[in-house]
Formats: sequence, C-alpha cells, structure tokens
Amino acid sequence: DQQVKQNSPSLSVQEGRISILNCDYTNSMFDYFLWYKKYPAEGPTFLISISSIKDKNEDGRFTVFLNKSAKHLSLHIVPSQPGDSAVYFCAASALGTGNQFYFGTGTSLTVIP
Amino acid sequence: GAGVSQTPSNKVTEKGKYVELRCDPISGHTALYWYRQSLGQGPEFLIYFQGTGAADDSGLPNDRFFAVRPEGSVSTLKIQRTERGDSAVYLCASSSRQGSEQYFGPGTRLTVT
Repeated sequence: DQQVKQNSPSLSVQEGRISILNCDYTNSMFDYFLWYKKYPAEGPTFLISISSIKDKNEDGRFTVFLNKSAKHLSLHIVPSQPGDSAVYFCAASALGTGNQFYFGTGTSLTVIP
Repeated sequence: GAGVSQTPSNKVTEKGKYVELRCDPISGHTALYWYRQSLGQGPEFLIYFQGTGAADDSGLPNDRFFAVRPEGSVSTLKIQRTERGDSAVYLCASSSRQGSEQYFGPGTRLTVT
C-alpha cells in the first residue's frame, strides 16, 4: 500500500524554465514532508521540508507547496539548471505517531541545456 | 565534516549465505535508520535506532534480518540465509534528532546469486 505517490516517473524541462514535481499522499496523519534529490550511485540528499502548519516553504530556487485538503505537495524549481537533473523523492512522516518516513517512487528530472 | 559512510559499497553473495552491512553515521547523530531500495522504488523503511536501542523495527521483512548499534554509533545490518529477493540497495541514514531531516549514505548494493 503506497502511502506516498509520485505519479510522474519522469519530467523534462528546458534550462531556465520552471520544473514542477508533484506528490500525493493518502495518510491524513502525515504532518511533515520532505524532498530529496538523488544522483546515480549516491544516497538521497535532503533538499527542503515543510511541516503541516505551513502551506509554503522557500529556499533559494526551491519552493515546496502543501495543500492539506487535497493531500498534495509540489516542488517548484526556478530557474531550472542542468545540474538539477536527478531523481527527486518526496517523503512524509507522522511525527507524533512513529519514526517511519514513507517515500514515493521518485521522479527523474532532466533539465535540457 | 564526514558524512554517513557505508561499507562495503557492493556485495555479491550466494543464496543461503550470511552478510553484514555496516553504517557509520554522522558524528553526534543519535538517530539512525536503515532503508532498502529496489529498482524503480523509493527507499523502504526497515529499522530505526535512537541511541543503542531499536526504537522501531516494524519494517524488517522477516526474522532473517537483524540490526545492532551496540555503542550508539556504528550500526550493522545482518541478513541470514540470504535469498535472491534480498537483492537491493541498502541505505543508511542518520539525523540529529528523531523526526528531523535525514542524511543518507551512498548505500550498499547487495546482489544475491
């Protein structure tokens, strides 16, 4: 039972344009959400997070939006750069009820120069 | 500063053998997690340590899998009587406190022939 879903396995974007990666979740108890970036042969690298008390968090070119009613979050990268090409995973947890982080299946982003 | 390290980076073993995978977390990080990632999937939670104790081992698939962290730092994931279905990348992550963002190692690719 996949509690965190990334329905787009891949995305291609031109350099300089906006990349939007989407993530849906089913567990209404989730209250902390993270995005990770992964290059081949490396472990995932933490990118940005958001708690459920917010609907937006921004860090440089990266912004995460959370829509709790729709159980949906998105990661916006603007402007996109070739070095952003990687697999992006979203993850979620329910901090008050456990220690597990549930990951989506990932979206492979390619930024075309 | 050193990140999370994992050894070996690759391990090939025959079905039925015993393997040990090692994780060195970031110094001072009290929380340590093990995940398993199969091809095309996101990391799947196995076990979480807070200090020396396994605070949550609900993700271990069966009793062939066991993990220890005797001194609250290095952890070893042990797999007995390996099966071909155990083939995956085993990721270790650490964090400064429960529920905060996790820092991943590069993983150990286990192949059971």
